[in-house]
Amino acid sequence: EAGVVQSPRYKIIEKKQPVAFWCNPISGHNTLYWYLQNLGQGPELLIRYENEEAVDDSQLPKDRFSAERLKGVDSTLKIQPAELGDSAVYLCASSPYDRGGAYNEQFFGPGTRLTVL
Amino acid sequence: TQLLEQSPQFLSIQEGENLTVYCNSSSVFSSLQWYRQEPGEGPVLLVTVVTGGEVKKLKRLTFQFGDARKDSSLHITAAQPGDTGLYLCAGRGSTLGRLYFGRGTQLTVWP
Repeated sequence: EAGVVQSPRYKIIEKKQPVAFWCNPISGHNTLYWYLQNLGQGPELLIRYENEEAVDDSQLPKDRFSAERLKGVDSTLKIQPAELGDSAVYLCASSPYDRGGAYNEQFFGPGTRLTVL
Repeated sequence: TQLLEQSPQFLSIQEGENLTVYCNSSSVFSSLQWYRQEPGEGPVLLVTVVTGGEVKKLKRLTFQFGDARKDSSLHITAAQPGDTGLYLCAGRGSTLGRLYFGRGTQLTVWP
């Protein structure tokens, strides 16, 4: 079974440019997460979807970040315009259905490493 | 602000040695998970602990959840080079069941 797929794996852009990341979760997984991981830090949640609905997006900087999961399957995270401080790894994860249960397991993709110059 | 503090941040040991990694918080979590992350990859779940005082073993790895469900430890016996990686603890909080990750412990095991 294929894991979580993310593309691109690496992206280098100049500041003020837009950038988009794509994620395809594990087939059948209703819950999709986007995390930000800075160097030397653990992942931090940006947004969580249950099917098409964003159920937890309070940590998404909405002035420049946006996300969508139109058909409840794959998702896109966009930054416009990018800033130097956005350089980080953007991780996508999925789980069958996150009901808040203790044993919920999140399956992570390899991430997209963004460098903003 | 880090809800979960991990120590040490870096650990470099020889093959065969034992080690313990700590994960501490002032907050209570309904459950705590340990993940391992290798370079260029996403974290992979190792274990979930739920009950205060719970101990789980995964081959040479022993995980313990504190009685008050605020802290946890990971002990590795006879470390091997294949254990090298970033070990992350993550607590499930009360806000929408959000998972909060610690900063991680970078373990390097030399042959």
